[in-house]
Amino acid sequence: DAMVIQNPRYQVTQFGKPVTLSCSQTLNHNVMYWYQQKSSQAPKLLFHYYDKDFNNEADTPDNFQSRRPNTSFCFLDIRSPGLGDAAMYLCATAPAGGSYEQYFGPGTRLTVT
Amino acid sequence: GDSVTQMEGPVTLSEEAFLTINCTYTATGYPSLFWYVQYPGEGLQLLLKATKADDKGSNKGFEATYRKETTSFHLEKGSVQVSDSAVYFCALSGGSQGNLIFGKGTKLSVKP
Repeated sequence: DAMVIQNPRYQVTQFGKPVTLSCSQTLNHNVMYWYQQKSSQAPKLLFHYYDKDFNNEADTPDNFQSRRPNTSFCFLDIRSPGLGDAAMYLCATAPAGGSYEQYFGPGTRLTVT
Repeated sequence: GDSVTQMEGPVTLSEEAFLTINCTYTATGYPSLFWYVQYPGEGLQLLLKATKADDKGSNKGFEATYRKETTSFHLEKGSVQVSDSAVYFCALSGGSQGNLIFGKGTKLSVKP
């Protein structure tokens, strides 16, 4: 089945220690998104790639970076995690054009100790 | 800017009760509208969608109709089950690149 995969499902990192979350897709979609979701809140868009074009949301902290080496993979790098960065991180994909329906992965739950 | 407003939760219902979760939107142009569902500890799953006025999206017994005149997309189900317990997000595709704009989510708990 075509899908969006996120690894790991649970990640524990130490305060200030860089961490990378990964997302892969078998849908061959042009667009890939990263969201941060804190408890009992809606997902908050951090940034997205349209093919290789990177689009950063205005209020995304510089601490968050992303890489997309090819169509299938996208990474979220948190350079110096703080306690406030503990959250669920969701990856989503969408085809170009159309109705903008997004397909979400299962998420990575990040804990910062 | 574009926005989505959905009813505050939590909503607690007994099994087989009728469900309505209200959602209204503000948007320029003609967005597509979506309902996503999130089960505990999981990502979001698309529940249903509608891409133009008067379209009805439906899936797993849930329905929602795109009402342009009232700028609404209310979610309904005739008979809820315990397994429907989850958080439901209303969303629209907005902005120049069609990014999703979410409502705050409504938590539904269904008791046996």
